[in-house]
Order: sequence, then structure tokens, then C-alpha cells
Amino acid sequence: DTGVSQDPRHKITKRGQNVTFRCDPISEHNRLYWYRQTLGQGPEFLTYFQNEAQLEKSRLLSDRFSAERPKGSFSTLEIQRTEQGDSAMYLCASSLSSRPTSSGEQFFGPGTRLTVL
Amino acid sequence: AQSVTQLGSHVSVSEGALVLLRCNYSSSVPPYLFWYVQYPNQGLQLLLKYTTGATLVKGINGFEAEFKKSETSFHLTKPSAHMSDAAEYFCAVSRGGATNKLIFGTGTLLAVQP
Repeated sequence: DTGVSQDPRHKITKRGQNVTFRCDPISEHNRLYWYRQTLGQGPEFLTYFQNEAQLEKSRLLSDRFSAERPKGSFSTLEIQRTEQGDSAMYLCASSLSSRPTSSGEQFFGPGTRLTVL
Repeated sequence: AQSVTQLGSHVSVSEGALVLLRCNYSSSVPPYLFWYVQYPNQGLQLLLKYTTGATLVKGINGFEAEFKKSETSFHLTKPSAHMSDAAEYFCAVSRGGATNKLIFGTGTLLAVQP
């Protein structure tokens, strides 16, 4: 088990371009989360998957953002028509929760740092 | 709604001194509480968590935290700071359940002076 991995680690793009990030969770973890962290702030929740189903989305997730988790394994986060305000670290986390009330520990990946010029 | 307040965005201690990082939370339901550490350009690593049971929680690297419901606090302590403890520390709260999303504080950057 190599932990949560994210690709790429760094992405520089021009305003208006589309970008896509990938997250590979710990194998057999059924829950996957995306968070965004801006400079000087704590991570903010974006969205959450239980297996392949996207069950919750934050109001931070505008229409330009879309996330998928096909087959309940890896996940992708796409940002269309990027804006300078999208510059941030995008963190992925996964957990194994067998019960609805479980407090399953979330394991975080190293993050993808996005810079929009 | 849940929220977390971390008092002190920067804390500096001498090597060997006590580390105290403060966290207060707001939650309408019994909370789950967490402390994470983040080293530069890395993801977050869990230090410790409180869910139920014993209110004094011991974590990795000699850290511990005490859940005080009456004070709505979950302060992080370590008796003796080490240079390797220099990092950013985040307190987080969740309500468990179907989502279990984490609500983070703004973080405290710990500096350890030789």
C-alpha cells in the first residue's frame, strides 16, 4: 500500500484553459474526498464520493468544476475555463468506512498545486 | 454548522520547551476532532483524533490533546519540542455520519528555535 497519490504535483496554466487532476486512493478505500487549500488557509471541502457515487458537493464547487470517480477507484477533478482565483493546492483524501456513523480516518495525498497565470 | 478557531497563526518555541497549540470548535452535535500536521509541499498527516471515550488522546511523535466539552476546546500539547516538529498544524472537526467531511481551522505555523 503506497498511500494516496496525486498527479500532477504541479500545474501551471493560462487563464481560460482547462485542467484535469487525478487522484488514486488507497486501494479498497470506499470514500474519496477533494479539498482545496489556498495560501494561509486550512483545506476546504469540495466534494465527496462513496464508491462511484458523488454524494455531496460544496457551494465552492462552481459549474466550472466537475469530479468523477468511475468504477469507484481513481478520481478526476476537472476545472474548465480556469481563473486566477482557482490557484490553490488541491488535496485528495480517502478513507475506509464500513458503517454510516464511522469516523474513518482520512488519508491525504501530497496535493496538486495549481497556478493560473 | 460546525467551525474551528485556531488561536495564533504563528507560534514560536525553543527546542525542549512545551508546545501548546490552541483549538476551539463549534458544533451542534457531538463532534469528532482531529489534529493534522503538514510539512512544506506535502499533504496532511493525522497526529491524533478524538471520537468517543477517553478525553485525553495520545498521538504520534509525542503529541497529545484533551477534549474539554465545557470549554469546547481540543488543544494540542507536547512536553518537549524538537526541531523536526516545525510545521503547520491544523485542527479539524467533523460530525461523522454519511459524509464525515472535515472542517479545518486556518492553521498554526510552529517554529522551533535552537
